[in-house]
Amino acid sequence: GENVEQHPSTLSVQEGDSAVIKCTYSDSASNYFPWYKQELGKGPQLIIDIRSNVGEKKDQRIAVTLNKTAKHFSLHITETQPEDSAVYFCAASRTTDSWGKLQFGAGTQVVVTP
Amino acid sequence: DAGITQSPRHKVTETGTPVTLRCHQTENHRYMYWYRQDPGHGLRLIHYSYGVKDTDKGEVSDGYSVSRSKTEDFLLTLESATSSQTSVYFCAISLEAVSGELFFGEGSRLTVL
Repeated sequence: GENVEQHPSTLSVQEGDSAVIKCTYSDSASNYFPWYKQELGKGPQLIIDIRSNVGEKKDQRIAVTLNKTAKHFSLHITETQPEDSAVYFCAASRTTDSWGKLQFGAGTQVVVTP
Repeated sequence: DAGITQSPRHKVTETGTPVTLRCHQTENHRYMYWYRQDPGHGLRLIHYSYGVKDTDKGEVSDGYSVSRSKTEDFLLTLESATSSQTSVYFCAISLEAVSGELFFGEGSRLTVL
């Protein structure tokens, strides 16, 4: 089955700096790669996703890149703000036969210090 | 807001007792999921349902059962709770044929003593 590894487990950045979280996956048939943000005491919430036919996707201060050959994908947050402090999870799945059955990474605790 | 309500939100129980967690949704979504969240493991799929009386096992289904007798309710049961089932449990729904996005509930924190 799919295995997703996520690094780093914790990330401390100064406000205004960039943050990068990296994930690798094992199943070459995976074609959907979402990123979720979880604030304290809440359920995870999708912030951005990318499908395997796209190499990069941006949404304001966040972007995701995908390298299918190397089987890794990354989340980039620019101009970090205190409200970006949260736990971030990457995930992978095959939408063809595993709709909604996501394999998650272990998570990255991001702390943005003013 | 995907209209997902989990109950109870917090529960402390003893080893060997049965526990049922309820996930209720108000928007008639077909696909529902139960995940558990543990430090160092992210979220792992326990069971999922693609409709009434249509359920299947996920990655970590041992010790858990589910039922879905109505579209709006997805129940997760621990027949005989163990300390290894201490966790935060999240229910999620997905919007079929729209995207792969999961909408999660607020979670149920279960402690098994």
